[in-house]
Amino acid sequence: NAGVTQTPKFQVLKTGQSMTLQCAQDMNHEYMSWYRQDPGMGLRLIHYSVGAGITDQGEVPNGYNVSRSTTEDFPLRLLSAAPSQTSVYFCASSPWSGGETQYFGPGTRLLVL
Amino acid sequence: EDKVVQSPLSLVVHEGDTVTLNCSYEVTNFRSLLWYKQEKKAPTFLFMLTSSGIEKKSGRLSSILDKKELFSILNITATQTGDSAVYLCAVMRGGSNYQLIWGAGTKLIIKP
Repeated sequence: NAGVTQTPKFQVLKTGQSMTLQCAQDMNHEYMSWYRQDPGMGLRLIHYSVGAGITDQGEVPNGYNVSRSTTEDFPLRLLSAAPSQTSVYFCASSPWSGGETQYFGPGTRLLVL
Repeated sequence: EDKVVQSPLSLVVHEGDTVTLNCSYEVTNFRSLLWYKQEKKAPTFLFMLTSSGIEKKSGRLSSILDKKELFSILNITATQTGDSAVYLCAVMRGGSNYQLIWGAGTKLIIKP
């Protein structure tokens, strides 16, 4: 199993550009989530999904969209990038029965100029 | 507002020392408390605690939860340089809204 994969590893955007961060998992997990991690602030939940076709907002959803058309994929879209979105983004998945034990992808480092 | 607070924010000790990391929380519909270790990249799971007073142990690491006083501790004995990392505490909120609330982490540095 590849586990949780994320692409790209690093991205530079200009203010106002849009892009999609990709996340995929091959463990047949129902629960998937997106976090951003900023220095000194820990992980903050952006959006999460408890199964295909179901998504919900987390703590900091503004400026981001998600969709979950399959169990495997959970892309995160930045609609119009802003410098405040410069961060490291982690995707995670978990078996729904537990929800807690989340397996993290390697992260995407995003720089918005 | 739900919150998870970790202390200290950073800690520097020498190899062989024992350290105790703290995590306190105020979270509605508490379901479980988790500890993760983060080195250069993604967090990796250490422990999940759901019941008070029951110690979870893995090698030199152990953790316990106090649901009455709303805190948990993570102990590391006979520390090694490989234990240097950021240790994250998170609380799962249950009910109809399954979300992990994360602390800011404790940065642990082990000097040889």
